[in-house]
Amino acid sequence: EIVMTQSPATLSVSPGERATLSCRASQSISSNLAWHQQKPGQAPRLLMYGASTRATGIPARFSGSGSGTEFNLTISSLQSEDFATYSCQQYNNWPPTFGQGTKVEIK
Amino acid sequence: EVQLVESGGGLVQPGRSLRLSCAASGFTFDSYALHWVRQAPGKGLEWVSGISWNSGSIGYGDSVKGRFTISRDNAKRSLYLQMNSLRAEDTAFYYCAKDVQSWGGSFYDYWGQGTLVTVSS
Repeated sequence: EIVMTQSPATLSVSPGERATLSCRASQSISSNLAWHQQKPGQAPRLLMYGASTRATGIPARFSGSGSGTEFNLTISSLQSEDFATYSCQQYNNWPPTFGQGTKVEIK
Repeated sequence: EVQLVESGGGLVQPGRSLRLSCAASGFTFDSYALHWVRQAPGKGLEWVSGISWNSGSIGYGDSVKGRFTISRDNAKRSLYLQMNSLRAEDTAFYYCAKDVQSWGGSFYDYWGQGTLVTVSS
């Protein structure tokens, strides 16, 4: 199975600053990558699919990039509601696999 | 509004069984694949099982193969996970997730809030 590795595990950022999260696949997954946001006690939420397409209702401050094995999720100016854990998911190969998550916390 | 509501979690002894349910609303239930994804305390998300729109295609993660059984009832708009021979390492929040495709090989656009399964004596 494809192993997804996210870095860093925790990212400390001040509100208004830019945050860049990384996700690496153990083999090429083309652009078949999704990003999900999780907050404690809430259902996960789809942010991005196809590596760079924002899901419905996701603000433009979120952007995704990459293809093959290297991917990034960038939040251009962090808002209070963005402090959460972000997980990448590959759906190119069966079984689908997730990264361990990056927690974005307030600095 | 799409809603996925899981139920059936709880505390269970090792070796025992538990059945999870996921009640769905707000979308054409029998047009989409559904999945169970779990998250152990302090760990990342792990895909557990998936089922296509008509139950014709079913898959399991290696860690649960032979012990868990996924099923769906389109008339009742419900997804199920029968979990047998439970182990301590099955302790996790279990989430129901909706695939964007009917056959189940894509990403998930909606998730439930999860139900906690704790396996302990």
